[in-house]
Amino acid sequence: DTAVSQTPKYLVTQMGNDKSIKCEQNLGHDTMYWYKQDSKKFLKIMFSYNNKELIINETVPNRFSPKSPDKAHLNLHINSLELGDSAVYFCASSQVSGTGTGANVLTFGAGSRLTVL
Amino acid sequence: GQNIDQPTEMTATEGAIVQINCTYQTSGFNGLFWYQQHAGEAPTFLSYNVLDGLEEKGRFSSFLSRSKGYSYLLLKELQMKDSASYLCAVSYGGATNKLIFGTGTLLAVQP
Repeated sequence: DTAVSQTPKYLVTQMGNDKSIKCEQNLGHDTMYWYKQDSKKFLKIMFSYNNKELIINETVPNRFSPKSPDKAHLNLHINSLELGDSAVYFCASSQVSGTGTGANVLTFGAGSRLTVL
Repeated sequence: GQNIDQPTEMTATEGAIVQINCTYQTSGFNGLFWYQQHAGEAPTFLSYNVLDGLEEKGRFSSFLSRSKGYSYLLLKELQMKDSASYLCAVSYGGATNKLIFGTGTLLAVQP
C-alpha cells in the first residue's frame, strides 16, 4: 500500500493549458507539501498545509493553486502553463508541523514529471 | 537568506568509506537533515541532527557542528546500491519550520 501516492506520474501538455496533479497520503500525517524539482535537481518547497490550512506559501506565481479537501489530500492546479513550469513535482507529508524534528521527516511521493511543450 | 553548499559530484569504490560535506548559512536554525535520492525516484529520509555531534544509523552516520555551520554524512562499507544523490537540508524559521534543500551530491560507487 503506497504511503504517498500522486497522479499522474507523467504529464505532457501544451503551453497555456491548465492541469492538475493529485496527491493522497494514508499515513495519518497532519501536514502535506508540494515541492518542485527542476532540471538541475534543486528541490524547492512551494506550499505546505496542516490539517487543510495553508501554512507555507513560498514565492510561487498565482497560476499555482493548491487545494486540500481534507488532511489526507493535497492537490495542485496550474493555470496557463509555461515552459518554465516543466519540472518534477513532489508531494510529501510529515507527521507534524512546527518546530518538532518530526516535522521535517518527510515522506515523498514518487513524483509527477510535467513537460510543457 | 538561506544558503546550503555541498559538492556536486563524488566518486568512491565499493567497500570504501566516503564523507559528503555540507555547509550552510541560515537564521533560526532548527535542525539538519540528510535525504537520499536515486535517479528517477523520490527522496527518502536518512538521518537528522539537532544538536552537535555524531548520529549513527547502521552504515550511515551524520555529524553536525552548529557553530561552524557544517555537517557531513559518512557512508561506510559502500555498496553499488549507494550510488545516488545525497541531499543536505536545513530546517529553519521557527513555527513555520521550513525545510530548504541543497542541490545534492551525486555519488557514484564503482566496483
